[in-house]
Amino acid sequence: IAGITQAPTSQILAAGRRMTLRCTQDMRHNAMYWYRQDLGLGLRLIHYSNTAGTTGKGEVPDGYSVSRANTDDFPLTLASAVPSQTSVYFCASSRTWGRSERDEQFFGPGTRLTVL
Amino acid sequence: AQSVTQLDSHVSVSEGTPVLLRCNYSSSYSPSLFWYVQHPNKGLQLLLKYTSAATLVKGINGFEAEFKKSETSFHLTKPSAHMSDAAEYFCVASRGSSNTGKLIFGQGTTLQVKP
Repeated sequence: IAGITQAPTSQILAAGRRMTLRCTQDMRHNAMYWYRQDLGLGLRLIHYSNTAGTTGKGEVPDGYSVSRANTDDFPLTLASAVPSQTSVYFCASSRTWGRSERDEQFFGPGTRLTVL
Repeated sequence: AQSVTQLDSHVSVSEGTPVLLRCNYSSSYSPSLFWYVQHPNKGLQLLLKYTSAATLVKGINGFEAEFKKSETSFHLTKPSAHMSDAAEYFCVASRGSSNTGKLIFGQGTTLQVKP
């Protein structure tokens, strides 16, 4: 059982380029999330999806887009990367949405992105 | 507005001594609270969670936390630190209500364990 996988592990990207971070889970979780982690700020929610076919904006959605075509995959796209998007990105999933606030979120290993 | 504050950005203890990582939250209702641990270059792993049942919550690796509503605190403790406990720790609250599934993270506390 892999849990959540993310790709790539790390990436250096030129400003203005388009980039898609991949996230796949094999736990059949309904809800998925993208966070960015920056020093001193903890993790901040970028976008989320409560079920396949639906997505929503988190705290810091600008410059990012997501899609949820199926249960397992939740890619995050930077249409035109900027240096302020240099960060570590974590994908997470949880079993339910809207039924229990108590569900644990499971996190992937992260993608370290540097935008020059 | 709901918020989570970790009172120490860095805590250093000697191996075998107690660990205390402090967390306060502010909320207009009783949220669900979590502690996550992040080892270097790894994802986050759940240590324990409080969900309005017992106020003293036991987690993995000997950690526990006590929910104190009067103090709006959810401090993490461990009686005896191990070298393997060195990591970043995050106190987290759920938004609850109609926004279930969204988490609010504290800024993190780095735990250093000295031999």
